[in-house]
Amino acid sequence: EVQLVQSGTEVKKPGESLKISCEGSGYSFTRYWIGWVRQMPGKGLEWMGFIYPFDSDVRYSPSFRGQVTISADKSISTAYLQWSSLKASDTAMYFCVRLRTSIAARTYFDYWGQGTLVAVSS
Amino acid sequence: DIQMTQSPSTLSASVGDRVTITCRASQSISTWLAWYQQKPGKAPKLLIYKASTLESGVPSRFSGSGSGTEFTLTISSLQPDDFATYYCQQYNGYSQWTFGQGTKVEIK
Repeated sequence: EVQLVQSGTEVKKPGESLKISCEGSGYSFTRYWIGWVRQMPGKGLEWMGFIYPFDSDVRYSPSFRGQVTISADKSISTAYLQWSSLKASDTAMYFCVRLRTSIAARTYFDYWGQGTLVAVSS
Repeated sequence: DIQMTQSPSTLSASVGDRVTITCRASQSISTWLAWYQQKPGKAPKLLIYKASTLESGVPSRFSGSGSGTEFTLTISSLQPDDFATYYCQQYNGYSQWTFGQGTKVEIK
């Protein structure tokens, strides 16, 4: 059974750094793109970026490039999303997702993690 | 960028009703469209891909249709478990995805 299990809720202050995680299991972790989707409170879904763990190729949405860093440790089947300096506007639920195919073209999100709530407030 | 517009934003319906949600793309996306269901506090769940292919395990009361720029998600007989928010998503490009703004299906 494919599972994506995310790290827990984070409460941080503006300016702090943060790294959240997503562990994949039940499939070949290195052979599927895995990435992140943001959902701000009461709002819709926005894709942030994806990584191919096999070779660490990363694709960012133009909206998030330079704002976050996506990485992966294939030895422990875990993907990460990190911020160097959080802002209040980063407050949101973050979902990790897997792409259905090994090519990041014309493919959709087939499995989702349970979500990690990030709250940033002074 | 391809924009996706869903209508309506909110839909009030009763158990047993036939429900239709529309999703329009700002340019042709062939049938590269998926539908997701999200319940409050939960992750979205894939329902349909390639505009009309039902994901494994999804009840057959859900169906999708359309191509080009106009798509629909239909629930043939609304069940209590179906009250949720539904999102369409285009995946026409390379490393490019856009979601609609969502349609909330609520109890009438």
